[in-house]
Amino acid sequence: GAVVSQHPSRVICKSGTSVKIECRSLDFQATTMFWYRQFPKQSLMLMATSNEGSKATYEQGVEKDKFLINHASLTLSTLTVTSAHPEDSSFYICSATETSGAFHGETQYFGPGTRLLVL
Amino acid sequence: SQQGEEDPQALSIQEGENATMNCSYKTSINNLQWYRQNSGRGLVHLILIRSNEREKHSGRLRVTLDTSKKSSSLLITASRAADTASYFCATRTVGFKTIFGAGTRLFVKA
Repeated sequence: GAVVSQHPSRVICKSGTSVKIECRSLDFQATTMFWYRQFPKQSLMLMATSNEGSKATYEQGVEKDKFLINHASLTLSTLTVTSAHPEDSSFYICSATETSGAFHGETQYFGPGTRLLVL
Repeated sequence: SQQGEEDPQALSIQEGENATMNCSYKTSINNLQWYRQNSGRGLVHLILIRSNEREKHSGRLRVTLDTSKKSSSLLITASRAADTASYFCATRTVGFKTIFGAGTRLFVKA
């Protein structure tokens, strides 16, 4: 099956620094990738939809200058948390959909997540 | 949640019993998926049901979908301690976003 990887799996950083999280589709091409965040004991909240070669579409309430998304290729999207603060500490999960096939885009494949802790 | 609600929020049952979780959503969908998440871990895809399907089975899992009521249910039969996890429904909207429900935390006692 399709595999999505994320790097790093865990990161601890100081308040005020920026952190970049990578999301890669390993064995398929993904025109669209999605970024979610999850607070402890809560559900996944969609942050933004990332389209290869164009600007990301952010959900209401998500600061685009705070969470920079770049989708430079069909297999890589990055999320940069700029000037991170303790309230940004969360579990960030990306997902991707395949671009081909009879039911293309039907199933989303999720990465294993990145746990961010901002001190 | 962004899309809808799940109930119950938490469920505690004995091993061998059945567990039923319900999900409601707000907008038109292309499909609905159920995922499992163990504490602090990634998501495990369980089952996908398309908007033109009403019921689907996979092993001990049975999913129903009622698009007129905008609701779905997940039934886990003969539960096991290893089924202890959080379960989320996720709807694939017409705009191709996948939106998650609030989730049900299932605890299966051995």
